Amino acid sequence: AQSVTQLDSQVPVFEEAPVELRCNYSSSVSVYLFWYVQYPNQGLQLLLKYLSGSTLVKGINGFEAEFNKSQTSFHLRKPSVHISDTAEYFCAVRKGGYNKLIFGAGTRLAVHP
Amino acid sequence: ETGVTQTPRHLVMGMTNKKSLKCEQHLGHNAMYWYKQSAKKPLELMFVYSLEERVENNSVPSRFSPECPNSSHLFLHLHTLQPEDSALYLCASSQDTGKDEQYFGPGTRLTVT
Repeated sequence: AQSVTQLDSQVPVFEEAPVELRCNYSSSVSVYLFWYVQYPNQGLQLLLKYLSGSTLVKGINGFEAEFNKSQTSFHLRKPSVHISDTAEYFCAVRKGGYNKLIFGAGTRLAVHP
Repeated sequence: ETGVTQTPRHLVMGMTNKKSLKCEQHLGHNAMYWYKQSAKKPLELMFVYSLEERVENNSVPSRFSPECPNSSHLFLHLHTLQPEDSALYLCASSQDTGKDEQYFGPGTRLTVT
């Protein structure tokens, strides 16, 4: 069975500092991987996705993630965060068959001035 | 309206009430989804509809009853709920049930008293 582990439930960081949000997945088959962001009182918004091809994926708002098959990881990074990046971030893997997303528990990113 | 909309945004109901959640997508998509987001738990997929046909029912109790009258609208009918059903209910849509990106609505915050 596929599962997703987000290693940090909360990540505090100062404005303009770099950040990495960690995600590991378990799967015995090819995977499609996603990062979503949820701002307060809003639904989820897709940041980026890995379907195939280049292992370095660039998304919106300056975020990027690297697919590492040997380490079964898909960590999210941003070189310099803003206050407006404060939100909850979810890593997800698509299960085969219908478009069924398995989500991690989420990482709350808190950017401080 | 654009994207995925959900009404109401907040709902408080007693355990003996009957209520319905509504989702509407303005994206021309063929697939729609209901998710449950509880505090400190990963998002849980509840139902998947493709071209108005239910294609997945993820072991959801019968007190939750989905309805998809057309490809733009999705309802979740609620009756005889329990306090543990209190959560954020998110609707999403995608072009098809393949590897396409899912677009999420803002959610309905449900409180069962």
